[in-house]
Amino acid sequence: QSALTQPRSVSGSPGQSVTISCTGTSSDVGGYNYVSWYQQHPGKAPKLMIYDVSKRPSGVPDRFSGSKSGNTASLTISGLQAEDEADYYCCSYAGSSVVFGGGTKLTVL
Amino acid sequence: EVQLVESGGGLVQPGGSLRLSCAASGFTFSSYWMSWVRQAPGKGLEWVANIKQDGSEKYYVDSVKGRFTISRDNAKNSLYLQMNSLRAEDTAVYYCARDRNLYSTSIYDYWGQGTLVTVSS
Repeated sequence: QSALTQPRSVSGSPGQSVTISCTGTSSDVGGYNYVSWYQQHPGKAPKLMIYDVSKRPSGVPDRFSGSKSGNTASLTISGLQAEDEADYYCCSYAGSSVVFGGGTKLTVL
Repeated sequence: EVQLVESGGGLVQPGGSLRLSCAASGFTFSSYWMSWVRQAPGKGLEWVANIKQDGSEKYYVDSVKGRFTISRDNAKNSLYLQMNSLRAEDTAVYYCARDRNLYSTSIYDYWGQGTLVTVSS
């Protein structure tokens, strides 16, 4: 039940693209396609942005995309906008448990 | 509209107990796995526990096993977390969250607003 590994922070200018990585093991990220990503603004509840590795819930802009290779999942945000500045967490099903990443703070310069 | 509303948080002394509740509405509560997820001040998200639709399966993070109990009352559309032997490290905002699938996948499409639990003397 170790946390998934994410970079502590990433940054980009408006209009640019950023990618946030999420590294786990074959018991979580690598073993299942139930990887999800959440956006959290200060003082707010998390919001589902990506599920099943690469699917977007209704209402989430197509600027957000997800992928996975082996034990590492990635969230890419293209065409950065000021409102994208937030904390982002990955999450993976791990059989009889659930594991989150430590979170990445995205700064829009 | 799906709504999850937590309650029951507050200040409790180390070793004390607290029971959190989550009132669900806007969906068929009995059809979904439900979870508790917590977030310590300034820290990341941590899954705490989840429970199957009929309560027959329950899973916990190692750090709360034997101290916390998750339960549900489908007739009352409510989820609970009984927390005993509380420690300072249990201080966090506790969220209830709905698994978007009818089977456990840890993909949470709806979250409550959270309730703050503070363990301190």
